[in-house]
Amino acid sequence: DGGITQSPKYLFRKEGQNVTLSCEQNLNHDAMYWYRQDPGQGLRLIYYSQIVNDFQKGDIAEGYSVSREKKESFPLTVTSAQKNPTAFYLCASGRQNNNEQFFGPGTRLTVL
Amino acid sequence: AQTVTQSQPEMSVQEAETVTLSCTYDTSESDYYLFWYKQPPSRQMILVIRQEAYKQQNATENRFSVNFQKAAKSFSLKISDSQLGDAAMYFCAYRSSNYQLIWGAGTKLIIKP
Repeated sequence: DGGITQSPKYLFRKEGQNVTLSCEQNLNHDAMYWYRQDPGQGLRLIYYSQIVNDFQKGDIAEGYSVSREKKESFPLTVTSAQKNPTAFYLCASGRQNNNEQFFGPGTRLTVL
Repeated sequence: AQTVTQSQPEMSVQEAETVTLSCTYDTSESDYYLFWYKQPPSRQMILVIRQEAYKQQNATENRFSVNFQKAAKSFSLKISDSQLGDAAMYFCAYRSSNYQLIWGAGTKLIIKP
């Protein structure tokens, strides 16, 4: 079946550690996105990529990094520089310049 | 910069009744898209309905319809014959000219049996 997968579903991290969240899609979409969701707020864009080997910062990129070495994969690294990383992270994909984004099931990151 | 506002943090409706969720946005663009997404307790984000700004006709998807008022920059979602499975967070989103989505804060919809 086609879709977007994110792993793990729940992730715990100690303060000061980097952690990488996985996002894979088999929809043959060019564009991929990472969002952060906090309680009572809408989604905020962290990073996005319209094409392989290229990505741009979103509104809240500080403390995060990404790579786009393959069309199917867009991993997000939450670094120790991110001051408040506990949140729900959603990955999405879409056709380049298309109007709809398809979402993965999300990863809940908790910093202990 | 574009903004999206959902002024109702929470709404409740009796099962089988109709409910309307509000959304307003601010933009200087003339061509854009608007979306309503649903996020049930599973937290999977699901597209409910989409509206192209250049279309005057309001979009409809089964029990879901929108009231798009371009001049007023309003984009409300009407859910008819509400069902228990409609209980979720509903987010309004605006697609800007650089293809990014700008999101409202969401409205929690409660369905009373």
